[in-house]
Amino acid sequence: GAGVSQSPRYKVAKRGQDVALRCDPISGHVSLFWYQQALGQGPEFLTYFQNEAQLDKSGLPSDRFFAERPEGSVSTLKIQRTQQEDSAVYLCASTWGGDYGYTFGSGTRLTVV
Amino acid sequence: QQQVKQSPQSLIVQKGGISIINCAYENTAFDYFPWYQQFPGKGPALLIAIRPDVSEKKEGRFTISFNKSAKQFSLHIMDSQPGDSATYFCAALQAGTALIFGKGTTLSVSS
Repeated sequence: GAGVSQSPRYKVAKRGQDVALRCDPISGHVSLFWYQQALGQGPEFLTYFQNEAQLDKSGLPSDRFFAERPEGSVSTLKIQRTQQEDSAVYLCASTWGGDYGYTFGSGTRLTVV
Repeated sequence: QQQVKQSPQSLIVQKGGISIINCAYENTAFDYFPWYQQFPGKGPALLIAIRPDVSEKKEGRFTISFNKSAKQFSLHIMDSQPGDSATYFCAALQAGTALIFGKGTTLSVSS
């Protein structure tokens, strides 16, 4: 595709509900990154894939957060038993792997009520 | 510990003026320093980037100045325009890891 596509754009979840956020990277991009951006803050790293391999998940805030990229293209970030502190914009970025120029999607704004 | 420190938090500049945003880092293994621009409701977009072997890079009205010995780099926006009003993030990256962002600077250019 022409850009990184994320869905849904907005998600409202009741506390305790599970959510799944989807990222479609640019076709052919090897590396995929998830970031969390709280209101008024910079993006914070969550996890990183190279093809289907999750190389770094050190930024995932708790074991309620889980990410996968089973076929090396589309990725899903899952949050179980959502809490209010999970409210943020979740950004996905991709790069073909040989350069450092990340292309970001527009994000999914998650609000936990 | 914040690895990339950005200042100021907010900035108001008159149209036609120069906007300057500063960042400092500690990790000398960083080898790529980009600046991102973010508009409300959008993801960050790469604006300009520099490697540590270069002291300055210019692209149009945007210039990065890099001081390796001081571990600082800055973004200069010349002839600032209302359309430049956005949030700007500096970032840094070490090979094999992910981008680390500063906390951002909200720029308002008044007409």
